[in-house]
Amino acid sequence: GQNIDQPTEMTATEGAIVQINCTYQTSGFNGLFWYQQHAGEAPTFLSYNVLDGLEEKGRFSSFLSRSKGYSYLLLKELQMKDSASYLCAVSDYGGATNKLIFGTGTLLAVQP
Amino acid sequence: DAGVIQSPRHEVTEMGQEVTLRCKPISGHNSLFWYRQTMMRGLELLIYFNNNVPIDDSGMPEDRFSAKMPNASFSTLKIQPSEPRDSAVYFCASRSPGLEGPGELFFGEGSRLTVL
Repeated sequence: GQNIDQPTEMTATEGAIVQINCTYQTSGFNGLFWYQQHAGEAPTFLSYNVLDGLEEKGRFSSFLSRSKGYSYLLLKELQMKDSASYLCAVSDYGGATNKLIFGTGTLLAVQP
Repeated sequence: DAGVIQSPRHEVTEMGQEVTLRCKPISGHNSLFWYRQTMMRGLELLIYFNNNVPIDDSGMPEDRFSAKMPNASFSTLKIQPSEPRDSAVYFCASRSPGLEGPGELFFGEGSRLTVL
């Protein structure tokens, strides 16, 4: 089966660092994605990890441990515009299928 | 370059009516996905196509839902008859063949459906 877990909500302060965790169980694995979704808008791509370790992209970093079925998204120097939902998604690969399964998202509120 | 285009952006209909949602993927992308998003269940994959062929429709709720992709530039998701529990935002997304790995999804703006 497929199961992706992430916290429902988080609150952080402007200028601080926040880490959003994601654990997953899928029958196949071909990489993990993080997407950002502002209220009323479409999800947009943030990062992709397929190998263990940390991928850094500006203020955002994403980490993956395949053996633990675990990832996190790290946001540094938080800005008010970072208030959004952050979606963890696993590329579930098996046979002819290569589909992207999403967690329910973590709603991050950045406060002044 | 145009992104994924969905129509209508908003639709309000009455229970029992037929609803058709439309999607034009990004040119050159060979995979197309239909998702449904609600507060309770998040983003759920309904069906996905590869090279216009349905690959996995295990997420389609029931026979009232159907999806087609007659060519590489157009797809429809139809609900007949619609029910209030179908109220959600329906997203279409497309993906190009990844050189390494599966490649990211590009989402349309979504179609917000309200069934009264």
